[in-house]
Amino acid sequence: GDSVTQMEGPVTLSEEAFLTINCTYTATGYPSLFWYVQYPGEGLQLLLKATKADDKGSNKGFEATYRKETTSFHLEKGSVQVSDSAVYFCALSRNFNKFYFGSGTKLNVKP
Amino acid sequence: DTGVSQDPRHKITKRGQNVTFRCDPISEHNRLYWYRQTLGQGPEFLTYFQNEAQLEKSRLLSDRFSAERPKGSFSTLEIQRTEQGDSAMYLCASSLDPGQGNEKLFFGSGTQLSVL
Repeated sequence: GDSVTQMEGPVTLSEEAFLTINCTYTATGYPSLFWYVQYPGEGLQLLLKATKADDKGSNKGFEATYRKETTSFHLEKGSVQVSDSAVYFCALSRNFNKFYFGSGTKLNVKP
Repeated sequence: DTGVSQDPRHKITKRGQNVTFRCDPISEHNRLYWYRQTLGQGPEFLTYFQNEAQLEKSRLLSDRFSAERPKGSFSTLEIQRTEQGDSAMYLCASSLDPGQGNEKLFFGSGTQLSVL
């Protein structure tokens, strides 16, 4: 069945460091891929998405490229800030009826 | 746009009791989803509605769980004869119909259930 695997956390970085959070998926067909973020005390919110192979989603300095050949959708940011501290979830959906989420990666950014 | 609201925020109950949670989606959203999240895990799909019709239900959802959306607006999730394994965060999300860039879930803050 469909599933998402993402790197375990927590990931601890200093401010202005480069961030990569790995995400790989298993799905039949051509799913859409998403990154959701959950800030402390808040609900999950969409960070970025890509709906077809080779698409790059971007938002707030974060980027992820849909790589069908490696079934991956890694999240990157060139320079993290303390305010980026949150839990990040990779997700997929084939038909937007059901979304499959990874287990989440907690990011701690220290000043 | 007041966002997705869930009530209550926290619920503590004894094993064997029934509990009901409510979700109020964003007003113009015709899709409504219920997810369950346990500590250290991502949200797990339970069921979803298109207006008042419940179109899909996870096999993980035992017959103790029932969800309704009677008028296509708010939804309720009821758990009968609660078990300790039901302890989790229950999340509600809503969205517009997919297409034209609407493939985005708006989540509420969740209801944290603790079964003693």
